[in-house]
Amino acid sequence: KQEVTQIPAALSVPEGENLVLNCSFTDSAIYNLQWFRQDPGKGLTSLLLIQSSQREQTSGRLNASLDKSSGRSTLYIAASQPGDSATYLCAGAVHTGNQFYFGTGTSLTVIP
Amino acid sequence: ETGVTQSPTHLIKTRGQQVTLRCSSQSGHNTVSWYQQALGQGPQFIFQYYREEENGRGNFPPRFSGLQFPNYSSELNVNALELDDSALYLCASSYRDRVYGYTFGSGTRLTVV
Repeated sequence: KQEVTQIPAALSVPEGENLVLNCSFTDSAIYNLQWFRQDPGKGLTSLLLIQSSQREQTSGRLNASLDKSSGRSTLYIAASQPGDSATYLCAGAVHTGNQFYFGTGTSLTVIP
Repeated sequence: ETGVTQSPTHLIKTRGQQVTLRCSSQSGHNTVSWYQQALGQGPQFIFQYYREEENGRGNFPPRFSGLQFPNYSSELNVNALELDDSALYLCASSYRDRVYGYTFGSGTRLTVV
């Protein structure tokens, strides 16, 4: 079973700051890892997907990396904005087509 | 392309009742997975459907059951509702043979009273 941990559980930063969210997993045989954003009471919005053969993915101000040997992924958010305030979840899959194991998320607040 | 749609958005049921939640998968996707997310927790895998058959199940009792239809839409049925079943139920679609990841719907908020 894949255990996924996210640190910190909550983070508050001033607008414009660069920040890093951390995700660690116990099974290095990870097939792919996906980062999601969740607004309060809403569904999950996919941010970035890193496949097992990749080491990082970038989309706009977001950059996610995957280090299978250390069992870690990071989500880097550049120049944070108040609209980035949300809960960020990482999820890892061990085999294609199988379930994702989710962390409990990092709640981010960006202060104007 | 259309995204994943779930219905209803909110639902209130009484303990012991039965409920059916519905999900339409994204165009081109043939796999549907259901997750339960309790307040303050990460989503927990209930089960996955591929080609109308259950293809993996998490640690949920048999009173959680599902269906997938030929058009790849899906239903989640929960019998004998318990208070602890109150949660956000999320449906995710994907294309099984490709690692494009999941597309999630907006969820159904179920409250059991």
